[in-house]
Order: sequence, then structure tokens, then C-alpha cells
Amino acid sequence: DTGVSQDPRHKITKRGQNVTFRCDPISEHNRLYWYRQTLGQGPEFLTYFQNEAQLEKSRLLSDRFSAERPKGSFSTLEIQRTEQGDSAMYLCASSPPGLGETQYFGPGTRLLVL
Amino acid sequence: AQSVTQPDIHITVSEGASLELRCNYSYGATPYLFWYVQSPGQGLQLLLKYFSGDTLVQGIKGFEAEFKRSQSSFNLRKPSVHWSDAAEYFCAVGATEYGNKLVFGAGTILRVKS
Repeated sequence: DTGVSQDPRHKITKRGQNVTFRCDPISEHNRLYWYRQTLGQGPEFLTYFQNEAQLEKSRLLSDRFSAERPKGSFSTLEIQRTEQGDSAMYLCASSPPGLGETQYFGPGTRLLVL
Repeated sequence: AQSVTQPDIHITVSEGASLELRCNYSYGATPYLFWYVQSPGQGLQLLLKYFSGDTLVQGIKGFEAEFKRSQSSFNLRKPSVHWSDAAEYFCAVGATEYGNKLVFGAGTILRVKS
């Protein structure tokens, strides 16, 4: 059973650079979520997709952030002009459709902006 | 708006002792409630969830949780803690209006003394 995978696992970048993260969900899951987790906090919701449609975005997702899921399978999260405040763990999760379904999380991508 | 409070930032217990981690939530409708565990540098693993029905929920690794609507609580328990249980534990409520996005508490770090 293949779980949720994320790539890269770690990313160090300089302020002002662009970065892109990839998430591959569990294959039969049509819902995909992105969360951000900073040190000492629980994950915070960023955005979610049902198939290829992006159905909700958090206020945390500034104009510098964009997420896509072009064919309803893998997803990418891009951060443009990174800032030091973007340093965090970026978690991806997927779930089947339906109320109360479990979200299965990937290992995360840890971003450090210098 | 939904919110989750985990009052204890850190808890230390001796190996073999019982454990209770507290979680209080705020949500207008019947909640879907989850407990996840996170080891350092890892993603989140589901321990158990409450969807409906029996308010005492059994999970993996010998954990259980009890949903108490009158107290808006969903506390996690384990009768005998093992050293391998040391990790960070997150309680979350599922917001069904938004594709089941999860709202997490800040987490409780569990330390186990040998």
C-alpha cells in the first residue's frame, strides 16, 4: 500500500527565491489538502482540492502561494519570492470523498528560508 | 469558527503509568474528531477518530478516546504507556462545511520516563 509521498523532504533556499513542492496522494483519493506547520504549533489548513478543482483557500495563502492539481492526481505548491516567515513544514494529506473521512498525511517538506 | 484547545503543552509520565491527554473543541454542529501522533521530523499518523455512534473509541497502539458532548471534550487515554509512545499528539476537529478540512490544536508533547 503506497501512502502519501512528498518531494523534496527538505529544502533550503535564500530569501527571494521561488520553490516548488510536490505531493503524490494515495491513488484512489480524490481529495487533497495542504497544511503548514510551524514550530510548536499544530498544522494549519492552506488549501484543498477535490479532483482538479481547488475548492477552498485559507487567508494564510498569500498571493505568493499557488497550488495546482492539474489532472486530479499529484499536486504542486509553489511559493514565489520566499520570505523567512515561510520557513515551516509543509504537509500534504489525501482522503476519499465523504463526510468524516480520514486524511492520510505525507512525511512533509521542511522549508528553511535563509 | 472551529477551534481546538489542548491545555497541556508538555506531559511527562513514567513508563507503565496511565496517560490522559486533554482536548476541548468548539464547533457548532456534531463534530468529527481525530487524534493524530507525530514523531520528530515525520508526518502525522491517525490514532483514532470519532464519527458517530459509540462515544468511546478504540484506536491503534492501545489508545482510546471518549467523546463527551456536554463537556466539548475528546480526551485521549492509554492505560500503560510505553517508551515508544514519546511523541507529539494532536487533536483535530473536521469542519464538514469545507471538505473536511481539519482544525488542529497546538499539540501536546509526551515525554516518557524510564
